[in-house]
Amino acid sequence: ETGVTQSPTHLIKTRGQQVTLRCSSQSGHNTVSWYQQALGQGPQFIFQYYREEENGRGNFPPRFSGLQFPNYSSELNVNALELDDSALYLCATDGPGGSNEQYFGPGTRLTVT
Amino acid sequence: AQSVTQLGSHVSVSEGALVLLRCNYSSSVPPYLFWYVQYPNQGLQLLLKYTSAATLVKGINGFEAEFKKSETSFHLTKPSAHMSDAAEYFCAVSYSGGGADGLTFGKGTHLIIQP
Repeated sequence: ETGVTQSPTHLIKTRGQQVTLRCSSQSGHNTVSWYQQALGQGPQFIFQYYREEENGRGNFPPRFSGLQFPNYSSELNVNALELDDSALYLCATDGPGGSNEQYFGPGTRLTVT
Repeated sequence: AQSVTQLGSHVSVSEGALVLLRCNYSSSVPPYLFWYVQYPNQGLQLLLKYTSAATLVKGINGFEAEFKKSETSFHLTKPSAHMSDAAEYFCAVSYSGGGADGLTFGKGTHLIIQP
């Protein structure tokens, strides 16, 4: 049990729409990262937030954006959805101080039609 | 750019046999290395990690991995496979320590356990 929850579990959207995915972690976890996992692939790093500011980003376009809130929740927003955005979206929080570990939530399965 | 290669998209072993899942990374600087397991329709669970303290790392569920700098490898092993080990396994690397560059994952190896 990682203490990381995500909502919704599944989501179906139409191409061109916008979507917001949510993640919550336990208090004290100041870092949250988001990953995209396409079917049959390993997760790919989207970005990381530390104390409500983006402090690292992978190779994803600006239509992928995020927010982190003081209550240890966060959002991933994707605008202008494309069919290739269909994937499992995972959020992860940092482990104990200095451990370099990340603890993952169960993910949100997004299908774009 | 950093990369991780997992040899074998599918590995099949008999119950009770040795499990060996291969992982190689690209770097001249020793990174932080991780193995994660993913069961169907679930997120990723950390099995073990290497952070330069010891080259042989023991993890959960009887798994262990050995860091070999000369081979840039971090292969995952388990002496005796159990049916419950059937899952997808991912090797991952990070160089930033603080994690700001995120984890770079391999494509995964699907472990099949034959009864």
